[in-house]
Amino acid sequence: AQSVSQHNHHVILSEAASLELGCNYSYGGTVNLFWYVQYPGQHLQLLLKYFSGDPLVKGIKGFEAEFIKSKFSFNLRKPSVQWSDTAEYFCAVKGSQGNLIFGKGTKLSVKP
Amino acid sequence: ETGVTQSPTHLIKTRGQQVTLRCSSQSGHNTVSWYQQALGQGPQFIFQYYREEENGRGNFPPRFSGLQFPNYSSELNVNALELDDSALYLCASREMPGLAALPQFFGPGTRLTVL
Repeated sequence: AQSVSQHNHHVILSEAASLELGCNYSYGGTVNLFWYVQYPGQHLQLLLKYFSGDPLVKGIKGFEAEFIKSKFSFNLRKPSVQWSDTAEYFCAVKGSQGNLIFGKGTKLSVKP
Repeated sequence: ETGVTQSPTHLIKTRGQQVTLRCSSQSGHNTVSWYQQALGQGPQFIFQYYREEENGRGNFPPRFSGLQFPNYSSELNVNALELDDSALYLCASREMPGLAALPQFFGPGTRLTVL
């Protein structure tokens, strides 16, 4: 069965620091990968997605992710975080039923 | 804000009771999925409905059941509630099932507490 692992449970950064959140998936075939964000008190929102093509995917709010097939990874990056990026971030892979299989999430706290 | 709405926002039930959660999908979306998000965990897929029929299910027992109505709104029913059913229940809608290119839009969730 497919699965997603997120390495960091809680990351604390100061504003302007660079961010990289790890995500590994288990499936070795064609994958569709996603990053979602959940701001405090808000619904899950799609940050970016990868289906095929350029392995460097750009999303909203300055986020990007790199798909590295040989490492089964899809890490999320942002060069300079802001206080407003404080949220929980979920990596997900498309399951065989068209559903999403999520990792456990990484909580990001950005100190002003 | 997405066009997906859920009701109620919060709910408290006792063990053994039954609960119904409701979801209105975004306009034009005919596919609805339900997810359970326990505290400290990522959302887990419960099931999906397309054109009023279940067309996908995760690893949840039969006491989790659902309905989809002609207007594409949906219900999640849970019978014989257990303490471990306490979680945030999320509804997501999209235009078609199975096509990952089409994004899923999530609602704000219903927080269920089972005492």
